[in-house]
Amino acid sequence: GQNIDQPTEMTATEGAIVQINCTYQTSGFNGLFWYQQHAGEAPTFLSYNVLDGLEEKGRFSSFLSRSKGYSYLLLKELQMKDSASYLCAVRDSNYQLIWGAGTKLIIKP
Amino acid sequence: ETGVTQTPRHLVMGMTNKKSLKCEQHLGHNAMYWYKQSAKKPLELMFVYNFKEQTENNSVPSRFSPECPNSSHLFLHLHTLQPEDSALYLCASSQMSGSPSYEQYFGPGTRLTVT
Repeated sequence: GQNIDQPTEMTATEGAIVQINCTYQTSGFNGLFWYQQHAGEAPTFLSYNVLDGLEEKGRFSSFLSRSKGYSYLLLKELQMKDSASYLCAVRDSNYQLIWGAGTKLIIKP
Repeated sequence: ETGVTQTPRHLVMGMTNKKSLKCEQHLGHNAMYWYKQSAKKPLELMFVYNFKEQTENNSVPSRFSPECPNSSHLFLHLHTLQPEDSALYLCASSQMSGSPSYEQYFGPGTRLTVT
């Protein structure tokens, strides 16, 4: 079966750096997405990786290793507004998105 | 604001009721999706429409009936639901469901409670 694993919850301190990991086992691979979802709000797109390596977008970076079935989202200079759930999703060979259950990130002052 | 709106935002219904959820996208996209989001579970894809044609139905019970009258509007008709159907129902849109890099834009969801 297809599976996306990510930690259920993480806690970090304001101003620090946090890395949220995602491992996947899917039938085929056509890209990996990270979304952010604040409580009671819509998921919003953060990043897309299809080739190995690091994609940087301001305070957020996303890394992909296709051979290891692994990605991470790196958040730097954490702010209180970064408290949210972070969803990892992989597009499989049928171009269907397979979603992880999300990682709830709690930022403490 | 993501350009995708959903109404109502909250809905409480009995198991014998019939109700409909509405989604509208203002982004010019041609693919629309219904997802179910339950606490601590992955998003479950329910239905996909490309250019108003249904292209995916992920073994969803018949008590959920989608309708897509045009590329901008999507409905989910509900009848004789069960308490386990209580969840957040999210609508999303994208350029095309088969395009690898196009991200999906989500609406804020309808929080459904079945009593």
